[in-house]
Amino acid sequence: RKEVEQDPGPFNVPEGATVAFNCTYSNSASQSFFWYRQDCRKEPKLLMSVYSSGNEDGRFTAQLNRASQYISLLIRDSKLSDSATYLCVVNFDNYGQNFVFGPGTRLSVLP
Amino acid sequence: DGGITQSPKYLFRKEGQNVTLSCEQNLNHDAMYWYRQDPGQGLRLIYYSQIVNDFQKGDIAEGYSVSREKKESFPLTVTSAQKNPTAFYLCASSMNGGAGNQPQHFGDGTRLSIL
Repeated sequence: RKEVEQDPGPFNVPEGATVAFNCTYSNSASQSFFWYRQDCRKEPKLLMSVYSSGNEDGRFTAQLNRASQYISLLIRDSKLSDSATYLCVVNFDNYGQNFVFGPGTRLSVLP
Repeated sequence: DGGITQSPKYLFRKEGQNVTLSCEQNLNHDAMYWYRQDPGQGLRLIYYSQIVNDFQKGDIAEGYSVSREKKESFPLTVTSAQKNPTAFYLCASSMNGGAGNQPQHFGDGTRLSIL
C-alpha cells in the first residue's frame, strides 16, 4: 500500500528557532524523495530533492534513512517567511506515475 | 521562461455544465498530471499521462475526463457527473525515467466553484 505520513503539526516556533519535520513512507522500493512547500492558496513549490547522502541548501537540510524508511527536513534560523505547509513527496519509481504526497505539516514562525 | 500555465485562474460552473481547465507546459516534459486539493487537505491524483495519446486514471477519476493530443497540453474536463467539483485544481509535469530525482513542477492552479 502506498502511503506517506508526516508529523501532524501545526508547528508554532519563534523566529530564529530550529525546527525539524519527519516523514515516513511505506514502500521500501521508493526511488526518489522531495520536500515541497505550499503557501496558503498557492501551488506547491519544490524546496529540495533528498539525496541518499543527505543534502543542504542554505538553512535547509534534508536527510534520508532508507533502512528506517523516513526522510527529514531541518530548518535552521527560522524566518517569518518560512511559514507554510511542508509536503513530503515520495516517488515509488522513476517513471512518474507513483508520486505520493504526504498530507503536509503546517509551520508558523512567530515574531 | 519555461513553465506550466493553467487557465483560467478562477472558474464557476453551473449545475449540469461541463467545464474544461487548461494546462500547457513548455518544459518539454513527458509526463503530466492533474490533482485536486480540497481545503486543508492533501493532493489527490485525478489523471496522469506519461506520453502523448495515453493517459491513466488516478485515485479519483470519476466525473473527470482528459485528453493528451499534444505533448505540451493536458486539458481536464470536469463533467456534470462530478457532483462536488468545488476545489483547487493543480496541473503538474515531470520528466520520465532516467537516473536520479525528477521532481514534479506545478502550475499556479485553477479554483473551481459551483454557482
